[in-house]
Amino acid sequence: DIVMTQSPDSLAVSLGERATINCKSSQSVLYTSNNNNYLAWYQQKPGQPPKLLIYWASTRESGVPDRFSGSGSGTNFTLTISSLQAEDVAVYYCQQYYSSLGSFGQGTKVEI
Amino acid sequence: EVHLVQSGGGLVKPGGSLRLSCAASGFIFTNAWMSWVRQAPGKGLEWVGRIQSKSDGETTDYAAPVKGRFSISRDDSTNTLFLQMNSLKTDDTAVYYCTIDSGHYGYWGQGTLVTVSS
Repeated sequence: DIVMTQSPDSLAVSLGERATINCKSSQSVLYTSNNNNYLAWYQQKPGQPPKLLIYWASTRESGVPDRFSGSGSGTNFTLTISSLQAEDVAVYYCQQYYSSLGSFGQGTKVEI
Repeated sequence: EVHLVQSGGGLVKPGGSLRLSCAASGFIFTNAWMSWVRQAPGKGLEWVGRIQSKSDGETTDYAAPVKGRFSISRDDSTNTLFLQMNSLKTDDTAVYYCTIDSGHYGYWGQGTLVTVSS
C-alpha cells in the first residue's frame, strides 16, 4: 500500500501571504510510460464534501482560482496558495491514484 | 449537471448491517467507475473501495479494514451505486461519500452519517 504523509499538520498564514503544504508518498506515483504523476489535491471546509483542486500533480480543476498551484514529481509534492484569502481556510488533502488501492494524506489544516 | 444523492445512513449496533445508496444523474453512469470514501468524526479521508464499470468487468477493490465485510455493487438500470456494510464495528462510524472515480474524485455525494454504537 502507498502511504501518503503531509506536512505540516497545521499552519497559520497571514492574509495575502503564501501557504505551502507538502505531501510525500512512500513510493513513486510517477507512471513513466506517460510521464504523469498520479497525485491530486483537495480542499475540505467544515460540513462539506471535499473539493478537487489539482490533479495530475499540477493541473488545476476548472473554476479553481489560479492562486492554487501544484508541483512536484515522483514522491515529493507541494500545494501552494500564493496569496491566502479568508475563504481558503480549510483542511487540505493529497491523494494518490497510482495504486488500485487509493490513499489520502492525513490532512493539513490552514488557518489565518 | 452531475448529481450524486445519497441515502441509507443511520444508527446501527455493532455486528449489524446497513446498505447505503447513491443515486447518480447528469453523466453516463454505465461508463463510470465509482468509489466510496469515508471520514470518521474529526478525522481525515479514507478510501473504502471501488467498482469498475460493467464494460471493464465490474471489478471491485476494497481497503484492508473493510475487505470481507463491505461489498460494493451497482444497478446500471437505475443509475444507483450501493455499499453493503456487514459485521459493522464502532470504528466504521463515519460520514460515507460516494464519488465518481476518475482516479481523482471530481464529484462527490453530500455524504451520509453511519453511526455504529450499542
